Amino acid sequence: GAGVSQSPSNKVTEKGKDVELRCDPISGHTALYWYRQSLGQGLEFLIYFQGNSAPDKSGLPSDRFSAERTGGSVSTLTIQRTQQEDSAVYLCASSPQGSDRGLPRHFGDGTRLSIL
Amino acid sequence: GENVEQHPSTLSVQEGDSAVIKCTYSDSASNYFPWYKQELGKRPQLIIDIRSNVGEKKDQRIAVTLNKTAKHFSLHITETQPEDSAVYFCAARTHFGNEKLTFGTGTRLTIIP
Repeated sequence: GAGVSQSPSNKVTEKGKDVELRCDPISGHTALYWYRQSLGQGLEFLIYFQGNSAPDKSGLPSDRFSAERTGGSVSTLTIQRTQQEDSAVYLCASSPQGSDRGLPRHFGDGTRLSIL
Repeated sequence: GENVEQHPSTLSVQEGDSAVIKCTYSDSASNYFPWYKQELGKRPQLIIDIRSNVGEKKDQRIAVTLNKTAKHFSLHITETQPEDSAVYFCAARTHFGNEKLTFGTGTRLTIIP
């Protein structure tokens, strides 16, 4: 079946612009995660959604970052007034209900964000 | 919060030899330790995991060991093959309410034919 889908695959934008990154999780998966991977670094947790519970936003690096998950499915990560340090690959992952909480099992291919 | 350190950052081994990647964690409450493999330009894939009530777990050529007292865990790959070349990430999850994984910085493993 279809895996986790992210769009766009690449995004180049000017400093100061807003960007929206989209994630389509695997159908039926209740848990959705956003991670950020900078060049040569590990994965940095950003935000976690589980069903109808309040999301865990503890990893968002600043108030320029926000995320929504509509209808328990698609999620959008928004970065306002982008800065060069926001350049990274943004990875989305999902897990089915009953999975260990906090465990991203299926990753998307990511969105490579480049801020000029 | 949790801090995960991973060593080495790069590792080259001859095909057929074994490879070992080590991670340490800081939070004694961490109870779950997955490993991910990320091939060049591809998405991370969960390859093996271990819980804090288990000391060792094996899956074909891959094994993971956990030492709770010392707060370290290791990935062992035996009979390495060219397709094992990738970046490997360890991670740790703290128990009770902390719904996120803390990742190590990765090990780039190169298998020399």
